[in-house]
Amino acid sequence: KQEVTQIPAALSVPEGENLVLNCSFTDSAIYNLQWFRQDPGKGLTSLLLIQSSQREQTSGRLNASLDKSSGRSTLYIAASQPGDSATYLCAVTLTTSGTYKYIFGTGTRLKVLA
Amino acid sequence: DAGITQSPRHKVTETGTPVTLRCHQTENHRYMYWYRQDPGHGLRLIHYSYGVKDTDKGEVSDGYSVSRSKTEDFLLTLESATSSQTSVYFCAISSPGGGSYEQYFGPGTRLTVT
Repeated sequence: KQEVTQIPAALSVPEGENLVLNCSFTDSAIYNLQWFRQDPGKGLTSLLLIQSSQREQTSGRLNASLDKSSGRSTLYIAASQPGDSATYLCAVTLTTSGTYKYIFGTGTRLKVLA
Repeated sequence: DAGITQSPRHKVTETGTPVTLRCHQTENHRYMYWYRQDPGHGLRLIHYSYGVKDTDKGEVSDGYSVSRSKTEDFLLTLESATSSQTSVYFCAISSPGGGSYEQYFGPGTRLTVT
């Protein structure tokens, strides 16, 4: 059974710091991996998606990497800002018999201090 | 914006009453999902649909049923609400663009069962 883990559960950093969020999964047979951001009381916003054949994806100050063989993905946030404060979730996509299902980690709650 | 709306956005109901939550999408996507989000558990899949009248159970489907009579609407019904079903419910779609099957989420429905 696929399990997705995110450590740490919470992180507090000063503004301007570069930081790395971690996501690990137990089964390397994934279709892709997606990172989301969730603000309090809101839905999930897709940040980056990495296909299983890719090693990394970049969007602005965000860079996500994927190492399927070790079951790990990282989300790198450069020059963090207070507006980056949110919960970050990763999810792996599994596909069987033409359907697509998603397994989520429990998230890392990030606080960037001004 | 993936054109996903959920209604109602907030609901308080009594134990034993039936409740129906609606998810509506404007993009004609084939795959739709219902999740619940609870502290300490992250996002858990309740039911999903891979086409009109085609649905299947997720990991926490007991006490829930779904229907999809039109591509754009996916309904989640709690036949007889219990306090353990107090949660935030999210609808999502899976967009096959470029073979990515990237997930996009609605704004959520906060349900309280008293």
